[in-house]
Amino acid sequence: EVQLVESGGGLVQPGRSMKLSCAASGFTFNNYDMAWVCQAPKKGLEWVATISYDGSSTYYRDSVKGRFTISRDNAKSTLYLQMDSLRSEDTATYYCARHYPAFDYWGQGVMVTVSS
Amino acid sequence: DVVLTQSPATLSVTPGERISLSCRASESVDTYLHWYQQKPNESPRLLIKYASQSISGIPSRFSGSGSGTDFTLSINGVELEDLSIYYCQQGNSLPTFGSGTKLEIK
Repeated sequence: EVQLVESGGGLVQPGRSMKLSCAASGFTFNNYDMAWVCQAPKKGLEWVATISYDGSSTYYRDSVKGRFTISRDNAKSTLYLQMDSLRSEDTATYYCARHYPAFDYWGQGVMVTVSS
Repeated sequence: DVVLTQSPATLSVTPGERISLSCRASESVDTYLHWYQQKPNESPRLLIKYASQSISGIPSRFSGSGSGTDFTLSINGVELEDLSIYYCQQGNSLPTFGSGTKLEIK
């Protein structure tokens, strides 16, 4: 059974950093591209970033370029999202998803609240 | 960015109805169009991929059609458990989602 379990969310002040993790199991992690998708409170879904199966390529939405970094550790079957210079508009639930190339499996999501 | 416009924003339905939800792209996405269901307080779930391909474990009452810029998600015989928000997403370029169609009981 495919499982994606996010961790690392919480309350953070504007301008500070936070790192999210996503532990994957139930599939061969290093065969698949992975992504982060977010959802602001009461809003729709927004793709954030994707990383290729081997980590050699990364892609970001414009609003997070230069502030967020997606990475992975295939030996640990873990996906990461380093979020720097956080803004109030980054407040959202962040989902880890397998990107194949539809988002075919999703984690339960982790809430990030950016507020002073 | 490719903009996806979903209509209607809200659809009031009666159980047993056959309904269609629309997703229109600002430029052609070929058949790189996928549909998701999100129930309240749950993660999204993939329903249909590549416009019309079914997904294992998804009830057969869900079907998709379309190509280019116009796409439709159909539910043949809506059930109460289908009350959700439905999103389309294109994968022809950097991913974008539509704003969703909310299904509610009439």
